[in-house]
Amino acid sequence: DAKTTQPPSMDCAEGRAANLPCNHSTISGNEYVYWYRQIHSQGPQYIIHGLKNNKTNEMASLIITEDRKSSTLILPHATLRDTAVYYCIVRGGSTGANNLFFGTGTRLTVIP
Amino acid sequence: EAGVVQSPRYKIIEKKQPVAFWCNPISGHNTLYWYLQNLGQGPELLIRYENEEAVDDSQLPKDRFSAERLKGVDSTLKIQPAELGDSAVYLCASSSWTGTGDPGELFFGEGSRLTVL
Repeated sequence: DAKTTQPPSMDCAEGRAANLPCNHSTISGNEYVYWYRQIHSQGPQYIIHGLKNNKTNEMASLIITEDRKSSTLILPHATLRDTAVYYCIVRGGSTGANNLFFGTGTRLTVIP
Repeated sequence: EAGVVQSPRYKIIEKKQPVAFWCNPISGHNTLYWYLQNLGQGPELLIRYENEEAVDDSQLPKDRFSAERLKGVDSTLKIQPAELGDSAVYLCASSSWTGTGDPGELFFGEGSRLTVL
């Protein structure tokens, strides 16, 4: 499975957009990019995922580069409740790779 | 629809005692996962079930850890005997993906926090 690289921490002002980068240069053609977040003492929460096209849902937007070697998660208007650890993960597109491999993630702190 | 349910949420035991964690996945989800999360680290897979079959248990310390998923629904993770280093959060997750197409979402429970004294 492809590995991901994320900055260990980021700050964002409340109300501003939070842009969280992720590198996954060894991603293969059938692997999806997933984003989860984990607020203290809770289980990981799904945010969004995609294969190659940009995606948007009620929580965030996912921008995947054309070569698929990197992506950016965008929280359009960060709130204090968005303070969490954000994990970028690639998930294999075959039964044998039906796992999520987490790294250490990016700790996002939203500042009032 | 109920999410993934885990119990207990918290457990404190003395070392060398046994402990068990229970997970009820989302109804109809064929795949069930147990993850271990140490403080400050991301979750790490312990075991993955496809229905009743453990298809990936390579990271499960089999000398003291065991798991079962009877009838392909609920699952139990057991540690016997527990050691100080087993203090962590044990997460259960489930998925309905059958191996083709978009994998969709993997749903996590709130976790069971174990403290071994």
